[in-house]
Amino acid sequence: GAVVSQHPSWVICKSGTSVKIECRSLDFQATTMFWYRQFPKQSLMLMATSNEGSKATYEQGVEKDKFLINHASLTLSTLTVTSAHPEDSSFYICSAPSTGTDTQYFGPGTRLTVL
Amino acid sequence: QKEVEQDPGPLSVPEGAIVSLNCTYSNSAFQYFMWYRQYSRKGPELLMYTYSSGNKEDGRFTAQVDKSSKYISLFIRDSQPSDSATYLCAMSDTTSGTYKYIFGTGTRLKVLA
Repeated sequence: GAVVSQHPSWVICKSGTSVKIECRSLDFQATTMFWYRQFPKQSLMLMATSNEGSKATYEQGVEKDKFLINHASLTLSTLTVTSAHPEDSSFYICSAPSTGTDTQYFGPGTRLTVL
Repeated sequence: QKEVEQDPGPLSVPEGAIVSLNCTYSNSAFQYFMWYRQYSRKGPELLMYTYSSGNKEDGRFTAQVDKSSKYISLFIRDSQPSDSATYLCAMSDTTSGTYKYIFGTGTRLKVLA
């Protein structure tokens, strides 16, 4: 199956700093990637759709100025959490649909802890 | 009413049991139905993918879709302790032109040795 990687897998930062999370499709190209967040024992909540070469589409209630998304190439999307606060602590997961299918493949996730 | 309903569990079964996991949905435009398995602190892993109605079998896993009842199921035969995880159903309506998925809340399964 298609492989999606994320980096870092775990990050701790101080309140007020910014954190960048990378999502890469390793063996396929992805014009679209999705960013989710997941709180403990809860389901995935879609934050935004990342589009290569154009602006990301954010879900209702997600602050676009706080969660900056850049889809720099057909294999890389980044999510930057700006001015992070403790309530931003969560598990962030990206996904991408494999070429020619409607199936999404997920990255392993990034655990963000803001002190 | 949520678009996708899934019992969060937890569901505990003895090793070797047949497990039945279910989701109901309200949007009749959904055509693609997926089941993902998620271990603690890991990303979801695709288990089964079904288009429209019918059954699909892969090893110990069988996925069923009943569009008339808006009901999907995942059966796990001969369950193993390694099957202990959270199982998420997901659905999509590709007529909207996007790949957006709607997820259930996930069912936590524990298979006891």
